[in-house]
Amino acid sequence: DIQMTQSPSTLSASVGDRVTITCRASQSISSWLAWYQQKPGKAPKLLIYKASSLESGVPSRFSGSGSGTEFTLTISSLQPDDFATYYCQQYNSYSPGITFGPGTKVDIK
Amino acid sequence: QVQLVESGGGVVQPGRSLRLSCAASGFTFSSYGMHWVRQAPGKGLEWVAVIWYDGSNKYYADSVKGRFTISRDNSKNTLYLQMNSLRAEDTAVYYCARDGAFGGFNWGQGTLVTVSS
Repeated sequence: DIQMTQSPSTLSASVGDRVTITCRASQSISSWLAWYQQKPGKAPKLLIYKASSLESGVPSRFSGSGSGTEFTLTISSLQPDDFATYYCQQYNSYSPGITFGPGTKVDIK
Repeated sequence: QVQLVESGGGVVQPGRSLRLSCAASGFTFSSYGMHWVRQAPGKGLEWVAVIWYDGSNKYYADSVKGRFTISRDNSKNTLYLQMNSLRAEDTAVYYCARDGAFGGFNWGQGTLVTVSS
């Protein structure tokens, strides 16, 4: 199975900060990576697909990059609505299965 | 607008069964692969199963293989998850999700399953 790791696990930041979250895969997944934002009690929301493509309706301050085994999600200027948990997901293959990273919680400094 | 509405969650005793449903609307259901993903209380996301757009292929996480069955009825725009031999560790919010048009998932709001005696 492909294992996903994320760093950091928690990130404390202020409004206006530039924030970067890293996701690593245990083997190459090409660009088959998505990023999600989740707020407490809510379903995850798709932000980025295919490593760097912005989902329709998602603010342009969110961007993704990377390929192979190392990926990043960047928030260029953190807004109050962005305090949440962020997950990466690899969808390189449905067998043995899709996997998610453990999550990065972005909280207020 | 993609809409996915899960139902069927509740409290069930260990060893018993439960069937979840996911009603889809706002898109051509029969054209998309569908998934179940779960999230235990306070934990991260765990993919559970996928079914091809036409039901021809199904894959499962090792943690549910042999106990859970994913299925779909394209005439009713509905996805199902039959869960047998439930365990305490199956307690979670269960989300149905659609394959994104270009990757990633679009999600329902989730339904809570609690396995407890």
